[in-house]
Amino acid sequence: GQQLNQSPQSMFIQEGEDVSMNCTSSSIFNTWLWYKQDPGEGPVLLIALYKAGELTSNGRLTAQFGITRKDSFLNISASIPSDVGIYFCAGQDVAARQLTFGSGTQLTVLP
Amino acid sequence: GAGVSQTPSNKVTEKGKYVELRCDPISGHTALYWYRQSLGQGPEFLIYFQGTGAADDSGLPNDRFFAVRPEGSVSTLKIQRTERGDSAVYLCATQPLGLNTEAFFGQGTRLTVV
Repeated sequence: GQQLNQSPQSMFIQEGEDVSMNCTSSSIFNTWLWYKQDPGEGPVLLIALYKAGELTSNGRLTAQFGITRKDSFLNISASIPSDVGIYFCAGQDVAARQLTFGSGTQLTVLP
Repeated sequence: GAGVSQTPSNKVTEKGKYVELRCDPISGHTALYWYRQSLGQGPEFLIYFQGTGAADDSGLPNDRFFAVRPEGSVSTLKIQRTERGDSAVYLCATQPLGLNTEAFFGQGTRLTVV
């Protein structure tokens, strides 16, 4: 099935550093979402973006909905050990309802 | 509990056997989705229910896969004649009605076909 192009695939950063990841799509989406998944758990929503150009923050997380509606990025500032996990972007088309996911970014935070 | 509940959490079955995976949604959530997640990949859509009916089953890979939601609440994903390639984590998500609402995921069922 279709998946979004998410990069980077993995990242190793020092605690306290900022990190950025992004997603691109060949299709337009009406909603972009960013999830975090811990081992043995389902994805948990971090940020939802509903409008092209929208920039939204949730604590140390900031995400933007690209103006073309075909891309989004997620920034995490001042990383901490509990940020470790896999981050997924997802696009949602209002008509289709289901989510199309990226392949994930594995984040490792080194002490 | 208040969240989406999936049972069993792990299932090991022999190739060729039939399996059923269950999803108990958050009370009142009318939309229910099944996704399949292979190792190192993001979840891939299988089927979407709005109420009792399957509104979109375009993600089911073949006719060995079937899902039901007879009373608009609990859903069961059924896989016949399982194959080793069916091994994956099967995730259920439910969502309330309305625009700009969040879909909540269960913890998934890890299916291993040996």
